[in-house]
Amino acid sequence: DTAVSQTPKYLVTQMGNDKSIKCEQNLGHDTMYWYKQDSKKFLKIMFSYNNKELIINETVPNRFSPKSPDKAHLNLHINSLELGDSAVYFCASSHSFGQRAYEQYFGPGTRLTVT
Amino acid sequence: TQLLEQSPQFLSIQEGENLTVYCNSSSVFSSLQWYRQEPGEGPVLLVTVVTGGEVKKLKRLTFQFGDARKDSSLHITAAQPGDTGLYLCAGLKGSNYKLTFGKGTLLTVNP
Repeated sequence: DTAVSQTPKYLVTQMGNDKSIKCEQNLGHDTMYWYKQDSKKFLKIMFSYNNKELIINETVPNRFSPKSPDKAHLNLHINSLELGDSAVYFCASSHSFGQRAYEQYFGPGTRLTVT
Repeated sequence: TQLLEQSPQFLSIQEGENLTVYCNSSSVFSSLQWYRQEPGEGPVLLVTVVTGGEVKKLKRLTFQFGDARKDSSLHITAAQPGDTGLYLCAGLKGSNYKLTFGKGTLLTVNP
């Protein structure tokens, strides 16, 4: 019954490593997002895909590369991890049309710690 | 420049008290959403307001969208410990798919 799921829940890794976070939604939404929440709880959008097409690409280092193999999946790959990448990363999904357009359904988050 | 300013940033009250959280901007939004986030979880949508002046009620929670669609408020009546969490407002401008979030109000309701 999980609506938006992310794996892993926790990720601890060393500087310089490459890691991926996976996200899946079973809500039939056509738009998916990646957000970063910093230690002060500020939630900022990073990327958004609509029907597998990248539509939002905020000022994010190009070490971050999203990939959407289909409408239900949006993965995030991070190269050469840095200490400042430590944060909680949330995946979300929504419709892009209709009365409930852009109402976000969030996953449980992935807490990334870079040491 | 923070597009959406939330106040207060922190709020600690006793069970049974009333409170209001504000979300202000100099920009006009096509709609505004309120979320609640509990520790270790993702934000959960509470309500969306679309029309200027609109008031929506969700049990003890009352949400209002300003007439000019630049600000919103969340009023909680007779707060309970279960209301504890981070309350986030988020504004949508046009149909650009992008929500802009405020920095949140961390509410603690003490028994």
